[in-house]
Amino acid sequence: AQSVTQLDSQVPVFEEAPVELRCNYSSSVSVYLFWYVQYPNQGLQLLLKYLSGSTLVKGINGFEAEFNKSQTSFHLRKPSVHISDTAEYFCAVGKKGTYKYIFGTGTRLKVLA
Amino acid sequence: SAVISQKPSRDICQRGTSLTIQCQVDSQVTMMFWYRQQPGQSLTLIATANQGSEATYESGFVIDKFPISRPNLTFSTLTVSNMSPEDSSIYLCSVEQGETQYFGPGTRLLVL
Repeated sequence: AQSVTQLDSQVPVFEEAPVELRCNYSSSVSVYLFWYVQYPNQGLQLLLKYLSGSTLVKGINGFEAEFNKSQTSFHLRKPSVHISDTAEYFCAVGKKGTYKYIFGTGTRLKVLA
Repeated sequence: SAVISQKPSRDICQRGTSLTIQCQVDSQVTMMFWYRQQPGQSLTLIATANQGSEATYESGFVIDKFPISRPNLTFSTLTVSNMSPEDSSIYLCSVEQGETQYFGPGTRLLVL
């Protein structure tokens, strides 16, 4: 069975500092990987996705993530965060050939002035 | 990507009543999904709704509690029946396009 682990429930970081949000998954089959962002009182917005090809994926708002198959990880990074990046970030795994996603428990990123 | 709207955006309901949530997509899609996000929690899939067939429910969710309609390729409804305070959540619909799910803005439900 698939599972997704986001080890950090909260990550405080100062403005303009770099940030990494960790995501590890377990699956015995090929997967698709996603990061979504949820701003307060809003739905989920797709940040980036890995379906195939290059393991380094660039998304919106300056975020990027790297698919590491050997470590079964898909960590999200941004070199310099803004106050507006304060939000909840969800990692999700989808099994190729199916439509079901498994979501992590989320990481609350709080950017401090 | 698809543009998805939901109505209502939020509601406050009394226990024992029912609420129907609408999800409208700006393009035709085969698969639509309904999720629940309880306060401070992650997303849990309630059911998958394909046009022309009965919805497929995940473990722990039943049709009597969460009836779903999918009358065409751009619209779906989810009803939360006989509500209790435990049903207070955000309900989100999503659609699949290009092996990616896109989400609506959610319906915030508070049951008193």
